[in-house]
Amino acid sequence: KAGVTQTPRYLIKTRGQQVTLSCSPISGHRSVSWYQQTPGQGLQFLFEYFSETQRNKGNFPGRFSGRQFSNSRSEMNVSTLELGDSALYLCASSLAWRGTEQYFGPGTRLTVT
Amino acid sequence: KQEVTQIPAALSVPEGENLVLNCSFTDSAIYNLQWFRQDPGKGLTSLLLIQSSQREQTSGRLNASLDKSSGRSTLYIAASQPGDSATYLCAGFGNEKLTFGTGTRLTIIP
Repeated sequence: KAGVTQTPRYLIKTRGQQVTLSCSPISGHRSVSWYQQTPGQGLQFLFEYFSETQRNKGNFPGRFSGRQFSNSRSEMNVSTLELGDSALYLCASSLAWRGTEQYFGPGTRLTVT
Repeated sequence: KQEVTQIPAALSVPEGENLVLNCSFTDSAIYNLQWFRQDPGKGLTSLLLIQSSQREQTSGRLNASLDKSSGRSTLYIAASQPGDSATYLCAGFGNEKLTFGTGTRLTIIP
C-alpha cells in the first residue's frame, strides 16, 4: 500500500506570494491533518479535515487555509507569504478523525525569501 | 492547554546498550499517545500507538508504556544499533488534536 505523498517536496517563494501544497493520503484513509515544523516552534498543528469538513484548527492566522476533496486528497494554501512561514510542512493521514494512528508524508520544505 | 515535554533533549549512548526516552504531558485526559522517529530532513515514522485503555505496546526491540495518572510515557529501546540514531517524538491526542513534544535527539555510538 502506498504511503502518504506530498507535492512538491521543495519550494522557494518570495514574500507576498501565495503557495498551494498538496497531500494524498493512504488509500482508505479519510482524515488528513497538516502540521508546520520549525526549529524554534517544533511541530505545530494547523488543521484537520475529515470527509471534506474541517474538524479542528490550530492557532494560525487566516492566511493559512485548507480543503479536502471527495477522494480525501487535501490542499493547503498560504497567502501573502512572510519570511516566518519558512518551514517543513507535514501532512498526516489516518483512518478516522478521532485519534487513530497517524501516518506522515515526507513533507514539503518551503523557503520564503 | 496540553503541553508535552521530552527530557533529555539529546542523548548519546554506545551501541548495544538499552535506553529509555521520557515523555511528560500536563493533561491526563489524552485519548492516546503515539511515538515517532524523524530522520534529518525527513517526515515522521510512526513507531508505536498506545490507546488510552492500554498501558503499553511492543514492536520488536521497542516498548512504550503509558501512565495517564502520572502524565508520563516512556519508550524503551533494547540493544541499541547505529540505525536507531534519529530524533524521537512523542505526541498526545487530546482536545481533538495531536500535541507534540520537542523531541529527543538520539545518537548511537558504534
